[in-house]
Amino acid sequence: DVKVTQSSRYLVKRTGEKVFLECVQDMDHENMFWYRQDPGLGLRLIYFSYDVKMKEKGDIPEGYSVSREKKERFSLILESASTNQTSMYLCARFARQPNYGYTFGSGTRLTVV
Amino acid sequence: AQSVTQLDSQVPVFEEAPVELRCNYSSSVSVYLFWYVQYPNQGLQLLLKYLSGSTLVKGINGFEAEFNKSQTSFHLRKPSVHISDTAEYFCAVSDQGAQKLVFGQGTRLTINP
Repeated sequence: DVKVTQSSRYLVKRTGEKVFLECVQDMDHENMFWYRQDPGLGLRLIYFSYDVKMKEKGDIPEGYSVSREKKERFSLILESASTNQTSMYLCARFARQPNYGYTFGSGTRLTVV
Repeated sequence: AQSVTQLDSQVPVFEEAPVELRCNYSSSVSVYLFWYVQYPNQGLQLLLKYLSGSTLVKGINGFEAEFNKSQTSFHLRKPSVHISDTAEYFCAVSDQGAQKLVFGQGTRLTINP
């Protein structure tokens, strides 16, 4: 089974800090995604990447950036964390073969104080 | 733009009763449809997906869903629920050929003994 690993399960950061959320997949898949999950809002797409050094904005990119230097690693960056970025962050990868679909990581619950 | 509406934010049912979780989507193109489950403090797990073929799709844990193109719906059903089905359920859609998933707001299923 494909594994998508998010390096931290829980994080607490201070307002104004620069925050890195790391996501690693163990297969050679190109497409990776960062979602944010909030109660009553479902999952909303922040950024995605179709290949190394490639990135595209999702629906809510403001306040975030991403880095994809290697195919297996996709990092989400909060340049200056704010309390309204307190949320659950989920990373996913997409593949067409052998089974079309998406695999999600376990999530990082970020609290900004 | 695509959108997904899950018509019920919470659904309480008794154990061994049937359940239906409703999902409607809007899209101007052909779509792929997915249902995911999220158990407490875990990531998302795929329940089932519709890509093509039979409109009745069977998934894991006894769940099934029916794709209705004319009503743009993809409702999830289970004939007899168990306590272990307590979780949040997400409906999602993507354009055929694209890989971005758009999620509904989620439905919290609570099973009472």
